[in-house]
This record gives sequence, structure tokens and C-alpha cells, in this order.
Amino acid sequence: GAVVSQHPSWVICKSGTSVKIECRSLDFQATTMFWYRQFPKQSLMLMATSNEGSKATYEQGVEKDKFLINHASLTLSTLTVTSAHPEDSSFYICSAPRQGGRNEQFFGPGTRLTVL
Amino acid sequence: QKEVEQDPGPLSVPEGAIVSLNCTYSNSAFQYFMWYRQYSRKGPELLMYTYSSGNKEDGRFTAQVDKSSKYISLFIRDSQPSDSATYLCAMSSGGSEKLVFGKGMKLTVNP
Repeated sequence: GAVVSQHPSWVICKSGTSVKIECRSLDFQATTMFWYRQFPKQSLMLMATSNEGSKATYEQGVEKDKFLINHASLTLSTLTVTSAHPEDSSFYICSAPRQGGRNEQFFGPGTRLTVL
Repeated sequence: QKEVEQDPGPLSVPEGAIVSLNCTYSNSAFQYFMWYRQYSRKGPELLMYTYSSGNKEDGRFTAQVDKSSKYISLFIRDSQPSDSATYLCAMSSGGSEKLVFGKGMKLTVNP
């Protein structure tokens, strides 16, 4: 299957700092990428849709000023958690649909964020 | 009623058993149906992908979609301990549209 990478795989930061997470599609171009967060033993919660060349679309209840998304190229989307607090500690996962033909969505390995 | 319903389990079976996982949905616009497997602390891995109705087989896995009943299934034959994971059904109305997930079923296959 297609490969989506995330960096970093885990990060620990102090409360009040900002953290950037990268999502890359390694062997295909993605005009759209999705960002999710997942709490322990729960399903994935969609946060926002990242669109190359335009603004991200946020789901209801997700603060766009806190979770900044930039889709800089056809293979890279970034999620920045600004002024992180302990309640932002979670597992953040991105996905990208492969265009043309099968249109499956492929997930990255996830980034575990711990805010102290 | 939620758009996608999936029994969260947990489900525990002996090695070699046939496992049946199911989801129902309410949105008739869904055309793309997927099953993902997620191991603890990992991203979901695409297992099966089906467009519209029908069956699809890949090794020990078979996916079925019945759009008339709004019901999808994943069958795992000869289950192995390495199949122990959470299985999520997901669906969308378009290839690049956001996925709607079931809650995920935690499966344990005992040796």
C-alpha cells in the first residue's frame, strides 16, 4: 500500500509551547489530507481537512487558532498545536487519500503528544 | 442514530476460529467502504477496500458490502494471535471525502 509518514513519532513538551507535526505522502500526491486525534481506547476523531493551496476546513468544536494547519505542497501537511496544554495530550494521526483509481485513504503511524 | 454503528466488543476467540465483524450505516450516499486494523499505539492500516456493493477476498480476509441493507462485514478465516487488534470500519461518499468511522471492535485471538 501507499506510504504516509509522520514526524515526530512522539514528543514531550512543556505547557505553553507550540508543537509542529508533519505529515508526508511518500509515494503519491495528496491535494487533501486529514488530521485526527485519538484518545486511549476511543475511535478516531476528525479534527480538520487540510487542502493544498487553500485554508483548512475544521470540524465543529475544533479551535482553528489553536490547531494551525498548513498544506504547503502536494506531499506535505503540518499541524501546529499552539500554546499546548496538558489536555492537548493525545495521539494525532493524519491520513491521505490516493487520487485516481482506487481512492483508498492511508494513515500515518501517528504522533504521540504529551504536554507536561 | 449515528451514521455508522459498530459493536465495540471486545471479542475474544480461539486461534483458528472464523471471525465476523459488522457495521451498519444510515447514509445511502456512502459508496466507498474500508476496513482498517489498528494495533495499540499505531496508525490504522488499510485492510480491505470495496467500492459499492459486492464481495472482495484477500487471503484470509473477505469483505462484503450489502448496500440494500446498509450493512458491511469483514470475515477473518483461520484467525491468528497476530490478528489481535482493533478493527475499524470506515466509509465515505466520495474518494477524497472524509471518512466516517465505526467505534472499532477490539479483537483478541487466543493461542
